[in-house]
Amino acid sequence: EVQLVESGGGLVKPGGSLRLSCAASGFTFSDYSMNWVRQAPGKGLEWVSSISTRSSYIYYADSVKGRFTISRDNAKNSLFLQMTGLRAEDTAVYYCARAVPAAGIDYWGQGTLVTVSS
Amino acid sequence: EIVMTQSPATLSVSPGERATLSCRASQSVSSNLAWYQQKPGQAPRLLIYGASTRVTGIPARFSGSGSGTDFTLTISSLQSEDFAVYYCQQYKDWPLTFGGGTKVEI
Repeated sequence: EVQLVESGGGLVKPGGSLRLSCAASGFTFSDYSMNWVRQAPGKGLEWVSSISTRSSYIYYADSVKGRFTISRDNAKNSLFLQMTGLRAEDTAVYYCARAVPAAGIDYWGQGTLVTVSS
Repeated sequence: EIVMTQSPATLSVSPGERATLSCRASQSVSSNLAWYQQKPGQAPRLLIYGASTRVTGIPARFSGSGSGTDFTLTISSLQSEDFAVYYCQQYKDWPLTFGGGTKVEI
């Protein structure tokens, strides 16, 4: 069974940093591109970042470019999102999600809440 | 950036009725379109990819159609468990973009 379990969320002050982690299991992690997608309270889904299988290709939404860094450790079946310069508008549930070529995002974690507030 | 626009924002239907949800892309995404269902407090669930291919295990009452810029998700006979928010998403180009969602309510 595919499982994606996020951790690392919490309350942080504006300008602060946080590192999210996602532990993957139930599939060959190194075979799949991975994504972070977020959802602000009561709002829709917003794609944040994607990383290819060997980290060769990395993409970011303009809203986080230069502040967030996605990475992965295939040996540890883990995905990460380093977030710096956090703003109130970064407040959201952050989902770790598996991408399938030409098929969208087929598995999602349950999400971890990041709250940016003073 | 490809902008995805969903309509209506809210759709009020009765159980057993048909629901038709629309999604429009600001430029062609070919068939690189997915539909997701999200219930309160839950992560999204992939329903349809390739504009019309149903994920294994998704009931046949869900169907997707369209290509290019105009897409439709149809739920042929709404069941109580179908009341949720539905999102479309294009994966033709970066950045990946989602529509704003359609809430299907009773």
